[in-house]
Amino acid sequence: DAKTTQPTSMDCAEGRAANLPCNHSTISGNEYVYWYRQIHSQGPQYIIHGLKNNETNEMASLIITEDRKSSTLILPHATLRDTAVYYCIVRVAGEDSNYQLIWGAGTKLIIKP
Amino acid sequence: DAGITQSPRHKVTETGTPVTLRCHQTENHRYMYWYRQDPGHGLRLIHYSYGVKDTDKGEVSDGYSVSRSKTEDFLLTLESATSSQTSVYFCAIRGDSEMRQFFGPGTRLTVL
Repeated sequence: DAKTTQPTSMDCAEGRAANLPCNHSTISGNEYVYWYRQIHSQGPQYIIHGLKNNETNEMASLIITEDRKSSTLILPHATLRDTAVYYCIVRVAGEDSNYQLIWGAGTKLIIKP
Repeated sequence: DAGITQSPRHKVTETGTPVTLRCHQTENHRYMYWYRQDPGHGLRLIHYSYGVKDTDKGEVSDGYSVSRSKTEDFLLTLESATSSQTSVYFCAIRGDSEMRQFFGPGTRLTVL
């Protein structure tokens, strides 16, 4: 079973910030939070990941609560091309550098003009 | 974008026939993964490889086998396809020190 909980769908106006929440209340101390998105049946695309600290890259920001039980992905200025399914994933630790990603159903984000 | 291709992109086959899907990479990455995705769901891991001839099972491995005889190719085989294996199959790759997986375009398989 997936270890994350996300809303099924969300809307956001074009040009506004899109804030996508994710709950991962059973996350372990050494597990990372990853975000991917999937645009219309294409292969998923990596967005960002984090462990404890907030992270920012050219695509998005990731805000992780202090207790690490939830996080928020922020797309600062959403465009129509950001319409996609967004997956919040907890990385299950494995041996060496091996690991597995456990995917939930994701959040369908619709950006409206 | 990572150099990763999948073939075929679409396939229709009949129940009971063998099917092989191919994932090819040009990045020389160590890790390769096969996932399936069904409507309205996220991806589920079928098998993965952590080197040539080194593979392991994922959460939905029953009915599937894999082989990796060289770094660049990871094959997924359905020995006797069933209708429940109708799905979209994605391959992914990851380098040794990489934190992220790169995905191929997917193969849409229909088993009649």
